[in-house]
Amino acid sequence: DIVMTQSPDSLAVSLGERATINCKSSQSLLHGPNNENYLAWYQQKPGQPPRLLIHRASARESGVPDRFSGSGSGTDFTLTINSLQAEDVAVYYCQQYYISPKGFGGGTKVEI
Amino acid sequence: EVQLLESGGGLVHPGGSLRLSCAASGFTFNGYAMTWVRQAPGKGLEWVSTLSASGGSTYFADSVKGRFTISRDNSKNTLYLQMNSLRSEDTAVYYCAKGLHYGVVIDVWDKWGQGTLVSVSS
Repeated sequence: DIVMTQSPDSLAVSLGERATINCKSSQSLLHGPNNENYLAWYQQKPGQPPRLLIHRASARESGVPDRFSGSGSGTDFTLTINSLQAEDVAVYYCQQYYISPKGFGGGTKVEI
Repeated sequence: EVQLLESGGGLVHPGGSLRLSCAASGFTFNGYAMTWVRQAPGKGLEWVSTLSASGGSTYFADSVKGRFTISRDNSKNTLYLQMNSLRSEDTAVYYCAKGLHYGVVIDVWDKWGQGTLVSVSS
């Protein structure tokens, strides 16, 4: 099984500053035929279901503010939140969907 | 507007069974793979099972393989999760989620329900 490891477990960022979350997979998520990385990022606020932010490592989902960006390839990925807003307080999860089981990282809690 | 509404959760004794349902609306249900993801209290997300749009392909986490079955009734726009031989570690909020791309099984999930709580306890 592919193991997804996120870091840090939590971080506190001032309003307007940048938050950076890392995600490492135990195997490459790069799909050769289409050169896409099968890595997604979700945001989960308390009492709510997860929300898809990013897929294919860097493709922002419709309606997601452009302060959210994803990068990386192969086994190392990053979610960056530029100019953090109060409504960005949440837990963020990376997830690989390259092969089953489609595992999630342990989550990163972002606080102000 | 896409809506997913889970139901069927509740309190069950270890070894018991439950069937969860997910009623879908606002999209062409028979064109999308559907998934169950669970979240134990205070814990992270765990993928449980995925079913292709036609219902012909199923995928399960090792933790539920042989105990859970996934199915869908495309005439009723409803996804199901039959859970047998339940254990305390199955206690979680169970979410159903819709695949992002039409006809794709290896996919992310762009719409989620609010979840239904399953508690397994004696």
